[in-house]
Amino acid sequence: KQEVTQIPAALSVPEGENLVLNCSFTDSAIYNLQWFRQDPGKGLTSLLLIQSSQREQTSGRLNASLDKSSGRSTLYIAASQPGDSATYLCAVIFDNDMRFGAGTRLTVKP
Amino acid sequence: EAQVTQNPRYLITVTGKKLTVTCSQNMNHEYMSWYRQDPGLGLRQIYYSMNVEVTDKGDVPEGYKVSRKEKRNFPLILESPSPNQTSLYFCATSGSSYNEQFFGPGTRLTVL
Repeated sequence: KQEVTQIPAALSVPEGENLVLNCSFTDSAIYNLQWFRQDPGKGLTSLLLIQSSQREQTSGRLNASLDKSSGRSTLYIAASQPGDSATYLCAVIFDNDMRFGAGTRLTVKP
Repeated sequence: EAQVTQNPRYLITVTGKKLTVTCSQNMNHEYMSWYRQDPGLGLRQIYYSMNVEVTDKGDVPEGYKVSRKEKRNFPLILESPSPNQTSLYFCATSGSSYNEQFFGPGTRLTVL
């Protein structure tokens, strides 16, 4: 059964730091991996989608990588800002299902 | 503007009173699904639909029903809600089951 783990569960950094969020999954037979942002009590905002044939995707200050064989993905956030504070979720897409990690709660302090 | 809408956004109800949460999308997506989000349990899939008249169970379908009579709409039905269905519910849509997923704003349901 596919399981998705995110480490760390929470992270607090000062503004301006570069940081890495980690996501691991147990079954490498995935179609895609998607990173989301969720603000408290709000919906999910799609950040990046990495297809299984890709190694990385970039959007602005965000860069996501995928290593299917090792079952890992990382989300790199450059020059973090207080507005980046949110919970970041990774999800793997396989068969007709999407399995989520528990998320990393990020706080960026001014 | 591409949108996924859910109604209602907030609902407080009592045990056993049937309710429907609607989900509508204007992106002509074939794939739609419902999730619930609970503290400590994360997001779990309830039901999904590959296309009109095609639906299937996700991880936690007990106590829920769905229908897909039109491409744009995918309502979630709770025939006899119970307190353990108190949760934050999300509808999601995509061009297919393996494409980028777009989520609605969520419906916070409380069953007393």
